[in-house]
Formats: sequence, structure tokens, C-alpha cells
Amino acid sequence: GAVVSQHPSWVICKSGTSVKIECRSLDFQATTMFWYRQFPKQSLMLMATSNEGSKATYEQGVEKDKFLINHASLTLSTLTVTSAHPEDSSFYICSVIDGTTDNEQFFGPGTRLTVL
Amino acid sequence: AQSVTQPDIHITVSEGASLELRCNYSYGATPYLFWYVQSPGQGLQLLLKYFSGDTLVQGIKGFEAEFKRSQSSFNLRKPSVHWSDAAEYFCAGGPLGGYQKVTFGTGTKLQVIP
Repeated sequence: GAVVSQHPSWVICKSGTSVKIECRSLDFQATTMFWYRQFPKQSLMLMATSNEGSKATYEQGVEKDKFLINHASLTLSTLTVTSAHPEDSSFYICSVIDGTTDNEQFFGPGTRLTVL
Repeated sequence: AQSVTQPDIHITVSEGASLELRCNYSYGATPYLFWYVQSPGQGLQLLLKYFSGDTLVQGIKGFEAEFKRSQSSFNLRKPSVHWSDAAEYFCAGGPLGGYQKVTFGTGTKLQVIP
């Protein structure tokens, strides 16, 4: 299956700064990537669907100006948390769809964001 | 609303004992159902999936799950737990159409004691 990496694995930033998280598909080209958010002791919540070469599709309640998604290539999608605040602290996970394996989702290891 | 529920937040079992993790779903039609495992520092890994057909599904690492329409359940089982099985387990479901737009349960953390 597809191998997905995320960078950084953890990041601490000050309130008001912006943070960029990268999601890379290492061994195949992904036209679609998903971004999830996971709060402690809670489930994964889909934030947005990232489509290569077009605008991301955001789930209801997710601020698109707050969480900027760029899927500029078939192997890279980035999530930028703009003007981060402590309530944005969370675990962010990306996944890719591998169309060669029945459209199975493969997940990255996640990025822990802590906003002070 | 379409949802997946995992009633157990935390389960502790002894190594070698059997395991059953519960999952209930609420969908109008037969959904796609999945079980994922999440270990620290690693991404979610698919254990098994149910789309249709045989209601007893075999997965990786010795896990199996049984789809029971009458009980709206898709419980995960393993006959003998190993210490390496300690992790968080997520049940997920989605409408017919594959892996996309799945809804995850809140997870069950499994602790394995010697």
C-alpha cells in the first residue's frame, strides 16, 4: 500500500503565528488527500478533501481561511494553520486514496500541534 | 444521523486472553465498515473491512470481525491477544462508495497486561 509521511511530527508555536504541515505520498501519485483532526480521547474528524490542482473542499464548520490547504503536486499537500490559537492545538492527520487498491485510505503518522 | 459508536473507551485484557471490541453503526443501508489500529507514532492501519458478502471478515494480525445486521454491530475479535496489540482501535463506517467520507468512532484503547 501507499506510504504517507507527514512533517513535522510535532510542532510548538506561539499564539498568532502560522504553521505549515506537509503531507507526502512517497510511492505513488495521489490525486486526492484528506486532512483530519483528532482531539485527545476523541475520534478523527474530517476537515477537508484536498484535490490536486484545484481548491480543497472543506467540511461544514471548518474555516477555510483558517486552515489553508494546498495540493500543488500529486505527492504533496500542505495544511497551514493561520494565526494559530491554543484551541487549534490538536493532532492533524492526512490520508491518501490509492486508486490501485480499491480506493483504500492510507494514513500518515500525524502531526501534533501545540499552540502556546 | 449516520454514525459509528464504540461504547468502550478503554479495555484491559491479559496477554493470551481473547478480545472483543464493540462497534455499533447507524446507517440506513448496509454501510462500508472498517476497523483501524493506531499505534503511537504511526499512522492508522487498516485491519479489515466489510463491504458485502460473507459477514465474517478476516483481517491482518489475526483479527476478525462479524457484521450483524440484526444488532447493527461490527465487533472486532481476536482469540489470543499479544502484548504488541496494545494500541487504540477505531471502528469506521461510510455509505456505499468506498473508503471516502467515512465516519470514525471515538476509539477504544486496548491495554494488555502480562
